[in-house]
Amino acid sequence: KAGVTQTPRYLIKTRGQQVTLSCSPISGHRSVSWYQQTPGQGLQFLFEYFSETQRNKGNFPGRFSGRQFSNSRSEMNVSTLELGDSALYLCASSLGPGPGQGTLFGEGSWLTVV
Amino acid sequence: EDQVTQSPEALRLQEGESSSLNCSYTVSGLRGLFWYRQDPGKGPEFLFTLYSAGEEKEKERLKATLTKKESFLHITAPKPEDSATYLCAVIPGQAGTALIFGKGTTLSVSS
Repeated sequence: KAGVTQTPRYLIKTRGQQVTLSCSPISGHRSVSWYQQTPGQGLQFLFEYFSETQRNKGNFPGRFSGRQFSNSRSEMNVSTLELGDSALYLCASSLGPGPGQGTLFGEGSWLTVV
Repeated sequence: EDQVTQSPEALRLQEGESSSLNCSYTVSGLRGLFWYRQDPGKGPEFLFTLYSAGEEKEKERLKATLTKKESFLHITAPKPEDSATYLCAVIPGQAGTALIFGKGTTLSVSS
């Protein structure tokens, strides 16, 4: 059974650029959540999508956005990148809305902003 | 404000030396408490979910317990392969579907 797939795994961007990260959940999972992980702040919730609808959003600026497609794949976008956006971005998938025993995380996308 | 605090930040053990990691939480209602293990460069790996005070769950050398204010992850006779960062997270009663994570305890087990 394939796990949660995140692409790209590593990327370097310049301040002011934008970036799009992709997440393919476990087959059959309809919920996708995104988290940002930094050494200083730890893991922080960005947003959750279930059946193409955003169900919950964390305390991040509007530069951070996301969407979910009909096949449950999800993308998140960060516009006007800042140095502080350098982080590991993690995607988690689960069958239904909210975390549970079936929630699985991907390996993450490492973003470096220079 | 909902908050999760883990202690200690780092813990070094000798192989076979049992210990406990602490996760204290302040939330408006608790719908669930989760323990994850994270290896360097990897995503968190699910270990346990606890829902109510008094609940306990075990998996190999790990045992998680829950009270009304904190959770413990007990590690019995650890091995070097248990070295990782252990993360605690809660889902509060009124926070929708977001997990609130602690900053983790980094465990190093030497042989």
